[in-house]
Amino acid sequence: AQTVTQSQPEMSVQEAETVTLSCTYDTSENNYYLFWYKQPPSRQMILVIRQEAYKQQNATENRFSVNFQKAAKSFSLKISDSQLGDTAMYFCAFRGGVSGAGSYQLTFGKGTKLSVIP
Amino acid sequence: DGGITQSPKYLFRKEGQNVTLSCEQNLNHDAMYWYRQDPGQGLRLIYYSQIVNDFQKGDIAEGYSVSREKKESFPLTVTSAQKNPTAFYLCASSILELAGYNEQFFGPGTRLTVL
Repeated sequence: AQTVTQSQPEMSVQEAETVTLSCTYDTSENNYYLFWYKQPPSRQMILVIRQEAYKQQNATENRFSVNFQKAAKSFSLKISDSQLGDTAMYFCAFRGGVSGAGSYQLTFGKGTKLSVIP
Repeated sequence: DGGITQSPKYLFRKEGQNVTLSCEQNLNHDAMYWYRQDPGQGLRLIYYSQIVNDFQKGDIAEGYSVSREKKESFPLTVTSAQKNPTAFYLCASSILELAGYNEQFFGPGTRLTVL
């Protein structure tokens, strides 16, 4: 079974600064999909960014980018120019790429609580 | 607007009672999921369904039941057999493609409290 580990339960960053959230995972598969979800105080889960393991180029979405290290099984999220609205729980998630009944399931890490300080 | 709705937002239940949480989606997604979220635990999968009239147990299915009579609807029943039902429940849906992200879209959640 795949596991996803987020080793930082809580982090804080000054507004306008950059912060990196870490995520590691364990899998024996060669192709798979990785996601970062954001859960603000409203508790609505929002997809932030996604990455396919076959793609070597790191994904970028505006101020959000990832550092995907396939060999190290690492998938960190970098938030640049942090804003107060970035305050949220951030969850890393893994989905396997092998077809089958369970291949569409997501495995989530336990989350990192990020606080952006004015 | 397309999306996922969950109702009610807050739900209170007495011990020993069954309660049903509603989840509806108009995204035309084939797959639907139920998660439970507890503090410090992330999201844990309760049940999922990839097609009407079929569903599979997730990691923590004991004490829960589901049905999938319509593509748009995937209600979750929390039974009296669930030992610790107080939690935040999230419903999600996704398309199904063998090669593709199939990212899940989430509803706003239901907070269940057992009194």
